[in-house]
Amino acid sequence: KAGVTQTPRYLIKTRGQQVTLSCSPISGHRSVSWYQQTPGQGLQFLFEYFSETQRNKGNFPGRFSGRQFSNSRSEMNVSTLELGDSALYLCASSLGRPNTEAFFGQGTRLTVV
Amino acid sequence: KNQVEQSPQSLIILEGKNCTLQCNYTVSPFSNLRWYKQDTGRGPVSLTIMTFSENTKSNGRYTATLDADTKQSSLHITASQLSDSASYICVVSGMDGGGSYIPTFGRGTSLIVHP
Repeated sequence: KAGVTQTPRYLIKTRGQQVTLSCSPISGHRSVSWYQQTPGQGLQFLFEYFSETQRNKGNFPGRFSGRQFSNSRSEMNVSTLELGDSALYLCASSLGRPNTEAFFGQGTRLTVV
Repeated sequence: KNQVEQSPQSLIILEGKNCTLQCNYTVSPFSNLRWYKQDTGRGPVSLTIMTFSENTKSNGRYTATLDADTKQSSLHITASQLSDSASYICVVSGMDGGGSYIPTFGRGTSLIVHP
């Protein structure tokens, strides 16, 4: 059974640009959540999508957005990139039922210069 | 404000020894508490998930406890192995002011196991 796949693994962007990250969940999983991990703040929750609808949202500015497709694949977009957006972006998939296990991808390392 | 505090920040032990990591939280209302293991450069891997009614859960050499009254959890690692060297992260899910269930992460305990 294939795991959670995130693409690309590494990305370098310039301030002011926008970026789109992709996450393919485990087959059968309908929930995809996104997280930002930095040395200064640790792991922080961005948002969760379930059946193409945003179900939960963390405390991030509107520059961070996402969507989910009918095949449960999800994309995350960050517009007007800032240096502070440099981070490891992780996604996790699950069945979406309460208290079920979430499986993380390897992450996308974004560097903003 | 929901918060999760982990201690110690880092820990060094010898292979074969046991250790216990601590997690205190102020998340309310509480949904569940999870412990994850994260190896350097990789995504976190789930170790245990506990709800309000559970006070102990084991996964091989890992045993987590939960005291919902004092809002404390611990992760006990038995007979440590070199492969246990990683960051251990406590995550507590609860409802925010907007009615969404969101996870709050601790900063993690960095464990190093020496031969």
